[in-house]
Amino acid sequence: AQSVTQLDSQVPVFEEAPVELRCNYSSSVSVYLFWYVQYPNQGLQLLLKYLSGSTLVKGINGFEAEFNKSQTSFHLRKPSVHISDTAEYFCAVGSSNTGKLIFGQGTTLQVKP
Amino acid sequence: EAGVAQSPRYKIIEKRQSVAFWCNPISGHATLYWYQQILGQGPKLLIQFQNNGVVDDSQLPKDRFSAERLKGVDSTLKIQPAKLEDSAVYLCATSGQANYGYTFGSGTRLTVV
Repeated sequence: AQSVTQLDSQVPVFEEAPVELRCNYSSSVSVYLFWYVQYPNQGLQLLLKYLSGSTLVKGINGFEAEFNKSQTSFHLRKPSVHISDTAEYFCAVGSSNTGKLIFGQGTTLQVKP
Repeated sequence: EAGVAQSPRYKIIEKRQSVAFWCNPISGHATLYWYQQILGQGPKLLIQFQNNGVVDDSQLPKDRFSAERLKGVDSTLKIQPAKLEDSAVYLCATSGQANYGYTFGSGTRLTVV
């Protein structure tokens, strides 16, 4: 069985500061990892994904994530956040055979001026 | 390309009433998913279709929920009768290739009173 744990339910940060949103996963098979962002009253938008290859993955809006197999982590980072980054962020693990995604509980990023 | 279309955007019904949601996927996307997102939680898979066949409906409360995907294109999700705990956002997502991430619709926010 696969599972995802997002270690922080809320992350407050000041504008232009760096941020890291933490994600740990559990899986007995090869995994594919994703980060999605959800703005209020909208659906989920794909930020970035890890399928294979380089463990450092760059996504949209200046976000990046690093796949760490030994620590079963896939933390999301941004060196300098903007007010517009305020949203809910979801980490997800994908099944290698069905394509089904299992989502974490989400982390609310609150960027303060 | 056009995104995933969902309707209605909002729906308020009384408990024990029935409701239906509609999803139009991205053209050519064979895989379609319905997720339930309760406030403050990550999305939870209800059902997965591959073309017009059901791949996984293990988390679908079949005593009250039903879904179909006619001709492998549009899909409808129905709840009958609705309960208070069904209040949530119902998200439709489609994928052209397994494990490459989904494209989500904007969702239908259901409130059961």
